[in-house]
Amino acid sequence: AQTVTQSQPEMSVQEAETVTLSCTYDTSESNYYLFWYKQPPSRQMILVIRQEAYKQQNATENRFSVNFQKAAKSFSLKISDSQLGDTAMYFCAFSASGSRLTFGEGTQLTVNP
Amino acid sequence: GAVVSQHPSRVICKSGTSVKIECRSLDFQATTMFWYRQFPKQSLMLMATSNEGSKATYEQGVEKDKFLINHASLTLSTLTVTSAHPEDSSFYICSARDFRVYNEQFFGPGTRLTVL
Repeated sequence: AQTVTQSQPEMSVQEAETVTLSCTYDTSESNYYLFWYKQPPSRQMILVIRQEAYKQQNATENRFSVNFQKAAKSFSLKISDSQLGDTAMYFCAFSASGSRLTFGEGTQLTVNP
Repeated sequence: GAVVSQHPSRVICKSGTSVKIECRSLDFQATTMFWYRQFPKQSLMLMATSNEGSKATYEQGVEKDKFLINHASLTLSTLTVTSAHPEDSSFYICSARDFRVYNEQFFGPGTRLTVL
């Protein structure tokens, strides 16, 4: 069974600064996908970024980037130039090819003005 | 992008009644839909996986007779909470997998169920 662990229940950052959210996972699968989802107060789940395990290059989406360390089973999310609208719960998630999503416990990020 | 809707967004019902929640994929065909439950400040807990035209697969500990799932078409899945009780009060979220983007799920906006 796969597990996903987010060890930071809460984090805060000043507007315009950079913050990194941590995520580790455990799996015996060789082909899998990793995701970061954002859940703002509206509770709509929004995909922030995804990473295919077979790709060595770290995924980047505008201000969001990941540090994927496959051997260490680590998948952190870096948010640059933090904005007030980035305030949300962030979930790290794992999916073996074509199967269910397994979510971490979540990290509540607050961006302060 | 792929859009998933849920209806209703909020529902309040009396204990003992049944409530149906609809999940629709608006601009794609979803061969697989997922139902999650989320308590305040907690993560999403997968309740069941439904495939179009077949019976849903329930996660361990989820009562299949209480949470009835029907996936009758490629764009609609329904979750019926039967004989609801206050402990069933929660936020229910559905997601759908677009067969063209096999490894990505698109989420509905969720339904807040309150059982009095």
